[in-house]
Amino acid sequence: EPEVTQTPSHQVTQMGQEVILRCVPISNHLYFYWYRQILGQKVEFLVSFYNNEISEKSEIFDDQFSVERPDGSNFTLKIRSTKLEDSAMYFCASKSALAARQPQHFGDGTRLSIL
Amino acid sequence: AQKVTQAQTEISVVEKEDVTLDCVYETRDTTYYLFWYKQPPSGELVFLIRRNSFDEQNEISGRYSWNFQKSTSSFNFTITASQVVDSAVYFCALSEALEYGNKLVFGAGTILRVKS
Repeated sequence: EPEVTQTPSHQVTQMGQEVILRCVPISNHLYFYWYRQILGQKVEFLVSFYNNEISEKSEIFDDQFSVERPDGSNFTLKIRSTKLEDSAMYFCASKSALAARQPQHFGDGTRLSIL
Repeated sequence: AQKVTQAQTEISVVEKEDVTLDCVYETRDTTYYLFWYKQPPSGELVFLIRRNSFDEQNEISGRYSWNFQKSTSSFNFTITASQVVDSAVYFCALSEALEYGNKLVFGAGTILRVKS
């Protein structure tokens, strides 16, 4: 069964450094998402992306964050200058159609640890 | 505004007991979708079920069943004859049809511990 792939599984970065989290969505999917889960807390929406542009972003997704689909397969989340509070599990998700009934399929997540 | 509430922070049961996980939601949309996801100790999010706002039929899938009641804005999840492998965090989530992008709004999750 096709799946969403995220790399790396764990990223350790010094505060203030830039980090790029990578995702390969399911190949025929068109809608992409990033979510964040701080340890022990709920999963929070960061951003949705379609047709090479952001369709919605949350308050968390400030100027330090950006997303890109640099080629036909990858979908990346960049944090320009990381802060301690960016430490979390980051999940990428994709779905095949815009309809709300379509379930989002999640990757296994990237655990980001900021030192 | 959308909101999902899972009031049960943690539930512990003994294997073979039945357990129900509660989910209450808020939305202004008349068309919306509710989801349950499972997060096992390994950390991934696994899609379990989707229900749309026009379909109040209960659904059963093996040991899992879901009770959707629009009148009380609830979408509860029951595991029958629980097993140790059911131990996980379970998230209820909501997506509104009219919202462009259709983000998922998650509840806080319920930790289920099944002891042998």
